[in-house]
Amino acid sequence: GENVEQHPSTLSVQEGDSAVIKCTYSDSASNYFPWYKQELGKGPQLIIDIRSNVGEKKDQRIAVTLNKTAKHFSLHITETQPEDSAVYFCAAIYNQGGKLIFGQGTELSVKP
Amino acid sequence: EAGVAQSPRYKIIEKRQSVAFWCNPISGHATLYWYQQILGQGPKLLIQFQNNGVVDDSQLPKDRFSAERLKGVDSTLKIQPAKLEDSAVYLCASSIDRVHTEAFFGQGTRLTVV
Repeated sequence: GENVEQHPSTLSVQEGDSAVIKCTYSDSASNYFPWYKQELGKGPQLIIDIRSNVGEKKDQRIAVTLNKTAKHFSLHITETQPEDSAVYFCAAIYNQGGKLIFGQGTELSVKP
Repeated sequence: EAGVAQSPRYKIIEKRQSVAFWCNPISGHATLYWYQQILGQGPKLLIQFQNNGVVDDSQLPKDRFSAERLKGVDSTLKIQPAKLEDSAVYLCASSIDRVHTEAFFGQGTRLTVV
C-alpha cells in the first residue's frame, strides 16, 4: 500500500552533535522525496528534497541520501543548533501523480 | 511571493455542527492538497485537486466531508456533521503541478469539536 515509515519518533541530541532520521517507502515508482520541518503552531516547511536520479543532496548543514534499491532515504543534520528543534517529516510521491504521502514524524530536541 | 493562505486559524464547534475551511493557494499553482493532521501524527492526505478536477479523494470520508475548487484557484473543505474525532489541524498545500511536486503549506486551521 501507500506507506512511508519514519524512525525514530523522538530524537534528543546535544548541541553540535549530528542527527539522523530514516524513512522507508513501498512504491518502487516513487521518484520524489521531500523533507519538511514543522514548528509549533505552523504548517510544514520544505527544507530539502531529493529526486530519484541522484543519491545524495546537501544544503549547508542538511543532507539527504537516497537508496532506491533498498527503498529508503535519510535526513542528516550536522552541527545541530537549538533552533533545529522541531518535528521533521519525510514524504514520498506515489502513483507518479503528485500524491504526497507523509511519514509519522520525528520530534527532534537539541539541548544546549 | 505570497504563500498559501488559510482561514480561519482556529475554530471550535459542537459535534453535529458544520464547518468550512478556506484555502487560497500560491498564484499559478495548479495542484492543491487538503491534509488532516491529528495531534502527534503526520499529515494525512484527504483530497488532491489538479486545477478544478479531483485527482485523488480515496481517503476523504465522503459521508461527511466535501471539498471543491471552483475555477481552479481557491478551495473550500466542509465537514457536515462534525464528529469529535474530526478534531485536528487541516492543512492546505499547493504545488505548480503534478510534475513539479514541491508542495508549500499554509499555516493550517485548528479545529476543535466538543
